[in-house]
Amino acid sequence: DAGITQSPRHKVTETGTPVTLRCHQTENHRYMYWYRQDPGHGLRLIHYSYGVKDTDKGEVSDGYSVSRSKTEDFLLTLESATSSQTSVYFCAISPGGASGANVLTFGAGSRLTVL
Amino acid sequence: SQQGEEDPQALSIQEGENATMNCSYKTSINNLQWYRQNSGRGLVHLILIRSNEREKHSGRLRVTLDTSKKSSSLLITASRAADTASYFCATDFFSQGGKLIFGQGTELSVKP
Repeated sequence: DAGITQSPRHKVTETGTPVTLRCHQTENHRYMYWYRQDPGHGLRLIHYSYGVKDTDKGEVSDGYSVSRSKTEDFLLTLESATSSQTSVYFCAISPGGASGANVLTFGAGSRLTVL
Repeated sequence: SQQGEEDPQALSIQEGENATMNCSYKTSINNLQWYRQNSGRGLVHLILIRSNEREKHSGRLRVTLDTSKKSSSLLITASRAADTASYFCATDFFSQGGKLIFGQGTELSVKP
């Protein structure tokens, strides 16, 4: 999707290995989000960022950490991947704004399989 | 737990019919949004309705919001096969730092 890219798009890894997913934006948006999507659960918020070095937990943050050292990049790290973290991960961005409306633009997703 | 709960989970209709999807939520919101997801793709924003609005239109889409019942509905009129997708509602907790929480989605199938 224009302005937001996720990498890698597909990854297969083994239990116990570290994994980092990268979200890169060229829109200079303030807010960035990581969601995971699983059948029967819809989208669940993992972590989000409201500025450089400003992050907060979402609904399902256990086992995940994030970092945002510059506006354009938001990294999601699985320190020690487990099979329960097999999922499709979506990054999203939003400008926020005085209107109070966070309209999200989503990336194409990263499919992670943990064996 | 998720803020938005959607009903039905799946809906199958014929082209030309209307499709209605419902979303319920638990606590006060700043606004409610609807998104669409085609198979294997990211979500795309459709429409936003603020807490002080009751109804909003965008093309063939009509969204209503009832804050007293904590519910919203999305109506797609004169549906087309290309409307086949999953539809999600999302509630905005902007007052809590920007969290946007999604429901489980309604899978819509429009048969030609």
